[in-house]
Amino acid sequence: NAGVTQTPKFRILKIGQSMTLQCTQDMNHNYMYWYRQDPGMGLKLIYYSVGAGITDKGEVPNGYNVSRSTTEDFPLRLELAAPSQTSVYFCASSYSLQALGNEQFFGPGTRLTVL
Amino acid sequence: QKEVEQNSGPLSVPEGAIASLNCTYSDRVSQSFFWYRQYSGKSPELIMSIYSNGDKEDGRFTAQLNKASQYVSLLIRDSQPSDSATYLCAVFKAAGNKLTFGGGTRVLVKP
Repeated sequence: NAGVTQTPKFRILKIGQSMTLQCTQDMNHNYMYWYRQDPGMGLKLIYYSVGAGITDKGEVPNGYNVSRSTTEDFPLRLELAAPSQTSVYFCASSYSLQALGNEQFFGPGTRLTVL
Repeated sequence: QKEVEQNSGPLSVPEGAIASLNCTYSDRVSQSFFWYRQYSGKSPELIMSIYSNGDKEDGRFTAQLNKASQYVSLLIRDSQPSDSATYLCAVFKAAGNKLTFGGGTRVLVKP
């Protein structure tokens, strides 16, 4: 199993450009999440999904969009990139809700810089 | 007040000593508590989870939870240089299906 994979690993965007961060998991997990981590800070939840076709906002959803057409894939779309979106983005997945004790598995992250 | 607070450190610990990390949370309805380890430039990995008051031990790690005082701690016994990392405390509450992370405590274990 590859676990959670993310592409690209690094990206530099110009202000106003758009891009999609890809996330794929091969563990047949129902739950998937997108977080951002700013330098020296913890992770903040952007969006999450409890299954194909179902998504919901997290703590910091503004400027982002997601879709979940399959169990495996959960892409994150940035429209009109802004310098405030410079961050490291982590995708994660879990079998069930965290409250049930199931571990969240994280991808390697995408380091995004907006100039 | 932040929902989950940690001392950012760095916490400097001699090799072989005990590292003690603390985390406080603001919402009393929080249900589940987790410690993640994150090496520099890498993704977080879960090392401990705890759900009820008291201690939970796993190898060299012990998690302690006190819901009345709203804190959770992590002890690392016999600290090794490989334990040098940032440790993230995370708190889950079912309302909103929300897992909230603290800012992390950076630990440095010196040989």
